[in-house]
Amino acid sequence: QVQLVESGGGVVQPGGSLRVSCAASGFTFSSYGMHWVRQAPGKGLEWVAFIRYDGSNKYYADSVKGRLTISRDNSKNMVYLQMNSLRGDDTGVYYCVKCTGGEVLLNDFDYWGQGTLVTVSS
Amino acid sequence: AVRMTQSPSSLSASIGDRVTITCRASQDIGSYLAWYQQKPGKVPNLLISGASTVQSGVPLRFSGSGSGTDFTLTISSLQSEDFATYYCLQSYNNPLTFGGGTKVEIK
Repeated sequence: QVQLVESGGGVVQPGGSLRVSCAASGFTFSSYGMHWVRQAPGKGLEWVAFIRYDGSNKYYADSVKGRLTISRDNSKNMVYLQMNSLRGDDTGVYYCVKCTGGEVLLNDFDYWGQGTLVTVSS
Repeated sequence: AVRMTQSPSSLSASIGDRVTITCRASQDIGSYLAWYQQKPGKVPNLLISGASTVQSGVPLRFSGSGSGTDFTLTISSLQSEDFATYYCLQSYNNPLTFGGGTKVEIK
């Protein structure tokens, strides 16, 4: 069965950096695009970033462009989110999400990890 | 970015009620609209894709309709397990955008 397990969350000071990871299993990882979606405490869902199945294209929400970087390692079935210049409004649960296809558009999210909490606070 | 306006933001309903949630896109997104259900403390679950395709395992009381800019999620007869927050998501245009959510509560 499909499993997505995030790790790496924690408390970081404003302006700091953090890398969260997602270990994928149960499907042909190299055939699917992957997303990161976040949810601030008590708030709604916000799409953050996407990486194409082969890593060749990456897309970002305007709110994170230039600060957060998505990457993947298909040999390890891993997807990462490097977060730099973190701000208070980056606080939230970060979900790793499998795309139903290889491209960012015209597809859906079918499997979600349990999420990892990132707290940006001094 | 395509703005997704979901309404209402919350509603109170009784078991057996018919519930309708709407999502309006700021521009034409064809049928590239999905609905997700999120129960408290749980991860979101895909209910409907392509505006109207109910996912396997989702009860038939859930249905979706619409195209272009106006979309609807309908629960024909609300059950206790349906109390949750519902989100729409457009995947037609980059960046992907969610609606603000509709919290369905018990009356």
